[in-house]
Amino acid sequence: SYELTQPPSVSVSPGQTARITCSGDALPKHYGYWYQQRPGQAPLLVIYKDSERPSGIPERFSGSSSGTTVTLTITGVQAEDEADYYCQSADSSGTSVVFGGGTKLTVL
Amino acid sequence: QVQLVQSGAEVKKPGASVRVSCKASGYTFSTYAMHWVRQAPGQRLEWMGWINAGNGNTKYSQKFLDRVTFTRDTSASTAYMELSSLRSEDTAVYYCAKEGDILTGYVYWGQGTPVTVSS
Repeated sequence: SYELTQPPSVSVSPGQTARITCSGDALPKHYGYWYQQRPGQAPLLVIYKDSERPSGIPERFSGSSSGTTVTLTITGVQAEDEADYYCQSADSSGTSVVFGGGTKLTVL
Repeated sequence: QVQLVQSGAEVKKPGASVRVSCKASGYTFSTYAMHWVRQAPGQRLEWMGWINAGNGNTKYSQKFLDRVTFTRDTSASTAYMELSSLRSEDTAVYYCAKEGDILTGYVYWGQGTPVTVSS
């Protein structure tokens, strides 16, 4: 079955830039989405359609796409950004939703 | 404002079935599909499928095709997810989720319903 691949963990110091990648063969055909999930909470959409930011999401969150990889960038990381981040897209047929394995962002 | 409120935690024995409800408010229920996503402890989010709240059409993930049923009650603005033949691996938090609009991603989520499968 189709998979989206993320690094298990990323660590950065406060104020630095965190980049989380998500790779999948069908990403050139379908948009990527990013969710932040804090422990015990439902996921929160932080990026949609590769690079769009929902209202209320801080500007330090941005997204980009290149070939088979989408990237979530958090510029000027804050302690409150420590969470799990999941990418989401569709399979090659576009009929099924797929999530990546998740990346734990640690703010040192 | 859009709200998705799910039913409470469930404890079930292996082989049993569970039904989780998701009551929607703040929008026209029949206009949007309702998706279901689950998350086992320490695991990734896992998409289960969706139901078109207007006409009742469904799309199930291949993994759950033979065990899951989505239904809805438009008069109550409520969607339901029923999972049968439960096994320990089905222990998870089950979420309903809704897009904001076409291709906007899951903007709205229910609070999650923990389901524990244990003998």
